Amino acid sequence: ETGVTQTPRHLVMGMTNKKSLKCEQHLGHNAMYWYKQSAKKPLELMFVYSLEERVENNSVPSRFSPECPNSSHLFLHLHTLQPEDSALYLCASSQDSGGETQYFGPGTRLLVL
Amino acid sequence: LAKTTQPISMDSYEGQEVNITCSHNNIATNDYITWYQQFPSQGPRFIIQGYKTKVTNEVASLFIPADRKSSTLSLPRVSLSDTAVYYCLLAGSSGDKLTFGTGTRLAVRP
Repeated sequence: ETGVTQTPRHLVMGMTNKKSLKCEQHLGHNAMYWYKQSAKKPLELMFVYSLEERVENNSVPSRFSPECPNSSHLFLHLHTLQPEDSALYLCASSQDSGGETQYFGPGTRLLVL
Repeated sequence: LAKTTQPISMDSYEGQEVNITCSHNNIATNDYITWYQQFPSQGPRFIIQGYKTKVTNEVASLFIPADRKSSTLSLPRVSLSDTAVYYCLLAGSSGDKLTFGTGTRLAVRP
């Protein structure tokens, strides 16, 4: 248990669906992250939030829309995804956004049909 | 340009000591060397971090030579449950982001 929870753990959606991934951290951290991990590929950093402000967007397609309503919660809204978006989506948090130790959630395994 | 280089895979047997070496020739003065462990379908988990010389915790040891251009993660007496991917990263000053490479896939056999 890392203090970072993610829901749902598994998700299957069609290309026309709209769904949201949720992440919550109970560590009092100021920074939160979304990563994508495709099969046998390195983790890809998608978004970084620091004190609820987005500080990095690594050229992620607009069909992925993050939301950070407060420093404890992070969402990833999904719409009109493609099959190649199927992956493990990981949320992480750290005290600040400057390369400190990150604590990861268990991830959401997403399958797009 | 990759910041760290480590072997793609390693095999070991239960009870052996495993040493995974990471090269980071362009390490910056303010970079810390950090190792994470990842099991299948789980998020990476922090193992150990060091700046120079040797660091030891209840899980592993980290050896860093004086020039800091490489580091070695040492896992004493591995068990089957240590089968995982191990990532070596450099964590620097504010503004730097952790960059995960492909890691080293360790397979521990009975």
